[in-house]
Amino acid sequence: QQPVQSPQAVILREGEDAVINCSSSKALYSVHWYRQKHGEAPVFLMILLKGGEQKGHEKISASFNEKKQQSSLYLTASQLSYSGTYFCGTFSSSGSARQLTFGSGTQLTVLP
Amino acid sequence: NAGVTQTPKFRILKIGQSMTLQCTQDMNHNYMYWYRQDPGMGLKLIYYSVGAGITDKGEVPNGYNVSRSTTEDFPLRLELAAPSQTSVYFCASSYESGGNYGYTFGSGTRLTVV
Repeated sequence: QQPVQSPQAVILREGEDAVINCSSSKALYSVHWYRQKHGEAPVFLMILLKGGEQKGHEKISASFNEKKQQSSLYLTASQLSYSGTYFCGTFSSSGSARQLTFGSGTQLTVLP
Repeated sequence: NAGVTQTPKFRILKIGQSMTLQCTQDMNHNYMYWYRQDPGMGLKLIYYSVGAGITDKGEVPNGYNVSRSTTEDFPLRLELAAPSQTSVYFCASSYESGGNYGYTFGSGTRLTVV
């Protein structure tokens, strides 16, 4: 089943912060985060493997709460280059089809 | 380092025609995937492969076929194209299982069936 992302869209001014959430109904082994700019391919940002793990990529970080089956992506002091659609992908720890399932995305727009 | 290369970038097909979308990677990745992305939506898995000679269905395999004769290549075949197959198709690869490794995506093929 597809993970649920929220919000669906967010508009920020340069320098503001944002949080994007991703939740699943299944037990999770890992969570991926990708950014896709309009007309381009998704680009891998980071993977979180352990419960409670946090990772960072420039001013973008993420957390993974294994017990709650949730992950959050934190964008700090956003830059114009952060605009795009952010997708989480979840990898279930159960079931026969152990493949990455993507959420429907969160469209982030950063304005000057 | 080219990464994942997809051809063609754009294609218009008539209903009932067939075509093959090409995908090749030069990273020696074992795992390869085909996704489709409809406008404003996420990515849906069509087929995947865990190594040469091994393929399996994803979430939306109907109307498609794949083969994996080499580690590098993973072509996607569309037989009897239908308007519902109008979409952007992305090929991706990963070193091993996506549970532990991120995916590298190709630049996509935009397909329109008329």
